[in-house]
Amino acid sequence: QSVLTQPPSVSAAPGQRVTISCSGNSSNIGKNYVAWYQQLAGTAPKLLIYDNDKRLSRIPDRFSASKSGASATLGITGLQTGDEADYYCGTWDSSLNAVVFGGGTKVTVL
Amino acid sequence: QVQLVESGGGVVQPGGSLRLSCVGSGFTFNNFGMHWVRQAPGKGLEWVALVSSDGRTKYYADSVKGRFTISRDNSRKTLDLQLNSLRPEDTAVYFCAKDIYPGDYDYYFDYWGQGTLVTVSS
Repeated sequence: QSVLTQPPSVSAAPGQRVTISCSGNSSNIGKNYVAWYQQLAGTAPKLLIYDNDKRLSRIPDRFSASKSGASATLGITGLQTGDEADYYCGTWDSSLNAVVFGGGTKVTVL
Repeated sequence: QVQLVESGGGVVQPGGSLRLSCVGSGFTFNNFGMHWVRQAPGKGLEWVALVSSDGRTKYYADSVKGRFTISRDNSRKTLDLQLNSLRPEDTAVYFCAKDIYPGDYDYYFDYWGQGTLVTVSS
């Protein structure tokens, strides 16, 4: 059981938009910055978003994120087949003194 | 370019021990906190432990506290994880990961190693 809650899967057609939610509480997302990672099959995770909404320079602007209260959201527009992957949110939990992740969301391009 | 290369994985019996290592290059190793993150087969990411840039501060996930020990040698640019009293549920790919910001320690990671597989089985 992950500390952060994500939907197990989302899907959309190429060119469409998907959003992935990440729900926590006042000790983690409510208090600290959120990051988002992409993990393509068989590879190590890759950082997409940090500090809630900042993209790494190499990440296209089709990826965006936001945070409100104890929840965060990742959005992907103009969906491409190369976006098929597992996506994870992560943050610090100030009560656990630990990094916590969501359970991961599998994005499928129909 | 930044590289993190893990080694030390393998098959070990329940109750056994293993030592994982991660060598960093392409960045000023002693300026960044470092982490271990694991992923059981077919499962999600689970953070294991962190060590601050100077090695003085360490945090562990409850699932490994008292059994695993994280350490670093800045002179050799090496991050280690000593795994003791291993259990079947410790079976996973173990990744080392680097903090994005220089400083004491942080909690998101801009570079990851390729991972090393630990299998705990009799």
